[in-house]
Amino acid sequence: AQKITQTQPGMFVQEKEAVTLDCTYDTSDQSYGLFWYKQPSSGEMIFLIYQGSYDEQNATEGRYSLNFQKARKSANLVISASQLGDSAMYFCAMRENVFGNEKLTFGTGTRLTIIP
Amino acid sequence: DAGITQSPRYKITETGRQVTLMCHQTWSHSYMFWYRQDLGHGLRLIYYSAAADITDKGEVPDGYVVSRSKTENFPLTLESATRSQTSVYFCASSEWGTNTEAFFGQGTRLTVV
Repeated sequence: AQKITQTQPGMFVQEKEAVTLDCTYDTSDQSYGLFWYKQPSSGEMIFLIYQGSYDEQNATEGRYSLNFQKARKSANLVISASQLGDSAMYFCAMRENVFGNEKLTFGTGTRLTIIP
Repeated sequence: DAGITQSPRYKITETGRQVTLMCHQTWSHSYMFWYRQDLGHGLRLIYYSAAADITDKGEVPDGYVVSRSKTENFPLTLESATRSQTSVYFCASSEWGTNTEAFFGQGTRLTVV
């Protein structure tokens, strides 16, 4: 079973609009972490934002926010006022404790293209 | 320089050969991870390690071997490379804790011909 599901392989968004990238996850742990990473065409992996399973407030980092709905097991990334430089692959990831070891699992990613 | 580095950045090898991808981090992070990235599959976990001499299988471990004799190094060996192992390989490291982000190397592009 997929631990992390990203159902949008690609998205096209007009510059300056907000965009939501979907992510659902599957775990039976109570304590886990959710992460979003950005991968531009240059290939490096850039950490964007983190949400802990016990955090009551949604995480925010500048133009990035995480819409965390624990009961639905979803952790959507919201990018406000999109910019051309936001064009990239975006990966959702979950870190959970598996028999005492912490596993970090990624989804298949969403390719976001910002249209001028 | 502090950070996490992978070597080589690019590698072409022949089917059946053994090849080792190197990963070195200078932070003394407890955890290290190996992923492969393929179109349509995202990043898939191959192996991970919680500390020196502790390793565990990820989603796609078949055909790969890892070792971690020192905290800072986590080499990945393809014992007998196959064309299906052509991919981009990423190494990452992090501290303990489900709230800690992982830091990634630049990736190694491996082509098996």
